[in-house]
Amino acid sequence: RKEVEQDPGPFNVPEGATVAFNCTYSNSASQSFFWYRQDCRKEPKLLMSVYSSGNEDGRFTAQLNRASQYISLLIRDSKLSDSATYLCVVSRGGTASKLTFGTGTRLQVTL
Amino acid sequence: DGGITQSPKYLFRKEGQNVTLSCEQNLNHDAMYWYRQDPGQGLRLIYYSQIVNDFQKGDIAEGYSVSREKKESFPLTVTSAQKNPTAFYLCASKGPVTGGENYGYTFGSGTRLTVV
Repeated sequence: RKEVEQDPGPFNVPEGATVAFNCTYSNSASQSFFWYRQDCRKEPKLLMSVYSSGNEDGRFTAQLNRASQYISLLIRDSKLSDSATYLCVVSRGGTASKLTFGTGTRLQVTL
Repeated sequence: DGGITQSPKYLFRKEGQNVTLSCEQNLNHDAMYWYRQDPGQGLRLIYYSQIVNDFQKGDIAEGYSVSREKKESFPLTVTSAQKNPTAFYLCASKGPVTGGENYGYTFGSGTRLTVV
């Protein structure tokens, strides 16, 4: 079983739609969680950290469920510019631990 | 502005040739990483270094070598022993993000290596 699992998609949604991605992780010792965005042929960039209480950044909302070991990302009012691959990332936390990446979920927003 | 610089952006390697990919950061981060990404796949860890003069193998270290003589620099050599080197190579450093509660990665813009 992969340490971080995501539905690869693609998710094809019209502009203005709301879309949600889920991600599950297998290591219960994981402490830090992130969503990264990767555009085609570019490097991943941090979208947002994910906190236990849930957090929001504009149109983006991230949730963490430690009991079920899953993370979600909700995008409201999708824009064409949101089209990208979204990577779920987990870590045991702290300065020394590595980050483990999911394979990503591809989102395509259309007119 | 602080960041990570990878060079070159594109690199072509002949069969049997060693090549070195450069990675430099001015973020004052201790930890640095090298990942490989193949088309349609996730990132796989090659090597990482948590401090100067120390580094560890990742999940796919065979055919690669690194050095960490300076905090700012973490070059990756793709040797002739790496049988399938064509891929997108990403260097990252790790430091505090979003107020310092979590430690996340900052990536360089990557090097695309192609065997010709």
